[in-house]
Amino acid sequence: DAGVTQSPTHLIKTRGQQVTLRCSPKSGHDTVSWYQQALGQGPQFIFQYYEEEERQRGNFPDRFSGHQFPNYSSELNVNALLLGDSALYLCASSWGTALGYTFGSGTRLTVV
Amino acid sequence: SQELEQSPQSLIVQEGKNLTINCTSSKTLYGLYWYKQKYGEGLIFLMMLQKGGEEKSHEKITAKLDEKKQQSSLHITASQPSHAGIYLCGADYSGGSNYKLTFGKGTLLTVNP
Repeated sequence: DAGVTQSPTHLIKTRGQQVTLRCSPKSGHDTVSWYQQALGQGPQFIFQYYEEEERQRGNFPDRFSGHQFPNYSSELNVNALLLGDSALYLCASSWGTALGYTFGSGTRLTVV
Repeated sequence: SQELEQSPQSLIVQEGKNLTINCTSSKTLYGLYWYKQKYGEGLIFLMMLQKGGEEKSHEKITAKLDEKKQQSSLHITASQPSHAGIYLCGADYSGGSNYKLTFGKGTLLTVNP
């Protein structure tokens, strides 16, 4: 049974560029949450998608946007990248409102 | 200040020793989740605690929730190198209605053979 799949695993972008990260949830899960983890910090909630809509959003600027597709997969888009956006981006899936997430291995984004 | 404080920040133990990691909240907890993370990788779910006084065990790891202190402890018995990693606690402050967890900064555990 495949767990949560994220792509790409690593990428390097230049300041001001835009990036799209992708996530396929665990089979049977319908909810996708995105977290940002800076070095030495705990993950911070970006937003959650359920039934193709953003259900909850954390304290992140509008440069961070997302989408959920009918097959429950999700994308995280970040525009106008800043050096401070360098982090590990984690996708977590769950069923309904459950918080016992299954996390993916993350995408390591480096902005130079 | 941090809503969820973990202590210690890092811990080095000899294989076979017992250890405890604490997670203290400044707000009322509706649920407390423990995860383990290998450096730079995703989080692995360990345990969820929801009721005051609740205690759960899995293999050599035991977690407890003290409702009075708004604190949880994670205890590892007879540590092994496979226990090494970053332990993170995540708090549910809304009973699930906010759909998110608030995480501590983590405790880095090193187990020397």
